[in-house]
Amino acid sequence: GENVEQHPSTLSVQEGDSAVIKCTYSDSASNYFPWYKQELGKGPQLIIDIRSNVGEKKDQRIAVTLNKTAKHFSLHITETQPEDSAVYFCAVYRAAAGNKLTFGGGTRVLVKP
Amino acid sequence: GAGVSQSPSNKVTEKGKDVELRCDPISGHTALYWYRQSLGQGLEFLIYFQGNSAPDKSGLPSDRFSAERTGGSVSTLTIQRTQQEDSAVYLCASSGQGMYEQYFGPGTRLTVT
Repeated sequence: GENVEQHPSTLSVQEGDSAVIKCTYSDSASNYFPWYKQELGKGPQLIIDIRSNVGEKKDQRIAVTLNKTAKHFSLHITETQPEDSAVYFCAVYRAAAGNKLTFGGGTRVLVKP
Repeated sequence: GAGVSQSPSNKVTEKGKDVELRCDPISGHTALYWYRQSLGQGLEFLIYFQGNSAPDKSGLPSDRFSAERTGGSVSTLTIQRTQQEDSAVYLCASSGQGMYEQYFGPGTRLTVT
């Protein structure tokens, strides 16, 4: 089955700096790659996603890049703010694999003011 | 509009008792998913419902776990003879017809004592 690895597991950045989280996956047929933000005591919130026919997608301060050849994708957060502190999960989806998401292990991001 | 709702938000039960967890998906969403998140861990797929099709139960960890979806809307996840290792946050997600994006509820935190 699909294997998703996420790095780093924890990330501490100064407010205003950038944060980058990377995920690698094993199944080359995967075609949809969402990122979720989970705050304490809440469910994961979809913040950005990318499909396999696109290399990069940006939404204000967050962006996702996808390298299908190398089978990795990354979340970029620029101009970090304290409210960006949360756990971030990447996920991978392949329609033929039962329509379920396979998640990475998560990255705990702390933005220090 | 209203998001995915789950009840109860917290459940404490004694080992050996049965529990039922409820999920109300976003109105009109045809797909419904259950995931489990153990303390400090990523999300683990449990079961997937799509319309009137037979559910994908491939993620259920044992035959003590079952789920049903009535009328193509509300779903109930039942855990029989609970064990301490069942303690986790149980998350429900839904998605629209033909859509990849999954939207999560706030989860039910289950504690087995």
